[in-house]
Amino acid sequence: GENVEQHPSTLSVQEGDSAVIKCTYSDSASNYFPWYKQELGKGPQLIIDIRSNVGEKKDQRIAVTLNKTAKHFSLHITETQPEDSAVYFCAAKGSGGGADGLTFGKGTHLIIQP
Amino acid sequence: ETGVTQSPTHLIKTRGQQVTLRCSSQSGHNTVSWYQQALGQGPQFIFQYYREEENGRGNFPPRFSGLQFPNYSSELNVNALELDDSALYLCASSALLAGGSYEQYFGPGTRLTVT
Repeated sequence: GENVEQHPSTLSVQEGDSAVIKCTYSDSASNYFPWYKQELGKGPQLIIDIRSNVGEKKDQRIAVTLNKTAKHFSLHITETQPEDSAVYFCAAKGSGGGADGLTFGKGTHLIIQP
Repeated sequence: ETGVTQSPTHLIKTRGQQVTLRCSSQSGHNTVSWYQQALGQGPQFIFQYYREEENGRGNFPPRFSGLQFPNYSSELNVNALELDDSALYLCASSALLAGGSYEQYFGPGTRLTVT
């Protein structure tokens, strides 16, 4: 089955700086890669996603890049703000129609220092 | 807010007991997936329901079972609870289209503690 590795486990950046979180996946048939933000006591919130026919996607301060050859994808947050502090999860989904669940990484605790 | 609701918020059970968790999906979504999230870990896929039938399953034993109702709401049942079942249980709703099911929107979860 699919295996997703996520790095780093903790990332501390100064407010206003950029943050980058990286993930690798094992199943070359995976075709959908979402990113979730989880705040304490809440469920994961979908913040951006990318499909395998696209190399990059941007939404305001957030961008995701995908390298299918290397089987890795990254989340980029620019101009970080205190409210960006949370745990971020990457995930991958196989191409088995609707029957495959998401396989998640172990998460990155992003800390924005004022 | 995603529009996905779960109940109860918290639950404490004793080892060997059975538990039922409930989920109401977002309006317009026909598919519900359940995940288990242990402390400090990413969510793990339990199973998915579409048209009231199990549509896919992760690496969980048969004592984890579910139901989906005609209004697309869903239940997760766990029998013979074990201490390791203590976790946050998340429900996610999505729309299963011809090309598959993609964007999944999570509820706030049910925190289950087994003592």
